[in-house]
Amino acid sequence: GEDVEQSLFLSVREGDSSVINCTYTDSSSTYLYWYKQEPGAGLQLLTYIFSNMDMKQDQRLTVLLNKKDKHLSLRIADTQTGDSAIYFCAESIFYDMRFGAGTRLTVKP
Amino acid sequence: DAGVIQSPRHEVTEMGQEVTLRCKPISGHNSLFWYRQTMMRGLELLIYFNNNVPIDDSGMPEDRFSAKMPNASFSTLKIQPSEPRDSAVYFCASGGGGTDTQYFGPGTRLTVL
Repeated sequence: GEDVEQSLFLSVREGDSSVINCTYTDSSSTYLYWYKQEPGAGLQLLTYIFSNMDMKQDQRLTVLLNKKDKHLSLRIADTQTGDSAIYFCAESIFYDMRFGAGTRLTVKP
Repeated sequence: DAGVIQSPRHEVTEMGQEVTLRCKPISGHNSLFWYRQTMMRGLELLIYFNNNVPIDDSGMPEDRFSAKMPNASFSTLKIQPSEPRDSAVYFCASGGGGTDTQYFGPGTRLTVL
């Protein structure tokens, strides 16, 4: 089964905030990642957080990490139509990177 | 930096044919990964190289798949003979610099008829 779980779909209106949630199972994970995949393209690294951090902010992106609950979230402020894509959560222990199934974000005008 | 380069971007072949996918990692990265992405199984790690040496090939589906990394700037993934169930998008990723972060190429979409 999946080690990393995330909901499959999220739909928001343009200008709203999007929150994509992820749960992971391995407390030994060193880094946690968010990747974005647009149709026909590869995975683009959006941001990552070291496992000893609680929060990381990068422009419109905010990552929150709750190690106790093994919960990771990605908040996109002022969501734009160009943010429509599949977002993958991933955890890594050294080279072993485990991906969730991806959340398809749809942004409606 | 050009990022991870993969070729070809699209490959259509017939069952039984040999397929070779190519990857050029980001210069200076010492780790290279091959992944396969399908709707049914998501992203699967096929093989991981470190300093050109295969470290973990437990994800390689079967003997029809082989991967090489003759030098730090080039790797190949070969399927011989190919089968329709091999149809997928194959990604190469590279990493290094003291973190676990992996940077992905654009992928090769393989269709085996």
